[in-house]
Amino acid sequence: KAGVTQTPRYLIKTRGQQVTLSCSPISGHRSVSWYQQTPGQGLQFLFEYFSETQRNKGNFPGRFSGRQFSNSRSEMNVSTLELGDSALYLCASSSGGGLTYEQYFGPGTRLTVT
Amino acid sequence: SQQGEEDPQALSIQEGENATMNCSYKTSINNLQWYRQNSGRGLVHLILIRSNEREKHSGRLRVTLDTSKKSSSLLITASRAADTASYFCAIMEYGNKLVFGAGTILRVKS
Repeated sequence: KAGVTQTPRYLIKTRGQQVTLSCSPISGHRSVSWYQQTPGQGLQFLFEYFSETQRNKGNFPGRFSGRQFSNSRSEMNVSTLELGDSALYLCASSSGGGLTYEQYFGPGTRLTVT
Repeated sequence: SQQGEEDPQALSIQEGENATMNCSYKTSINNLQWYRQNSGRGLVHLILIRSNEREKHSGRLRVTLDTSKKSSSLLITASRAADTASYFCAIMEYGNKLVFGAGTILRVKS
């Protein structure tokens, strides 16, 4: 099976712009979760989608949003970018019970906000 | 929200030695997961241990869970240079949230 894919791999944006990141899960996986990784805050949970529904959300401002399509592919959107949004954004997919099972991570999207 | 606290922050050992990393947490959990991250392969799942389990093995990896002490440990036996990576525990809180620890940086010298 192909692994989790994320596009784009690298992105440079300007403060105030918005960005959309894409994640394609492993075939058959219905749960997709998103994480932000920074040197200062580490790995932080953003949200999880299962069958097109957001099941849980981490402690991030409303500028961070996501959605999941019927084919389980997911997108994450960050509006009004701030310098502090520079990070590695990882998505992970899982079968069955979502976060109660092992997560398969994609390579990440490295976002730089200037 | 709680976060797993990992100890030590960094560990440097010789090839062939064993490496032990610890993770502590604060509240009840559904399960605890260990992941490895290096520049070559990204973040990779190692072992998941559920709250009703005490020990699990996978190859050279052994994970223990003590829910009374709210702690877990990851033991890597007969370490190799390829084990050099950051290791994270991730706590699955009830309520469907996965919280990662700050990680232990392991360096295996050949």
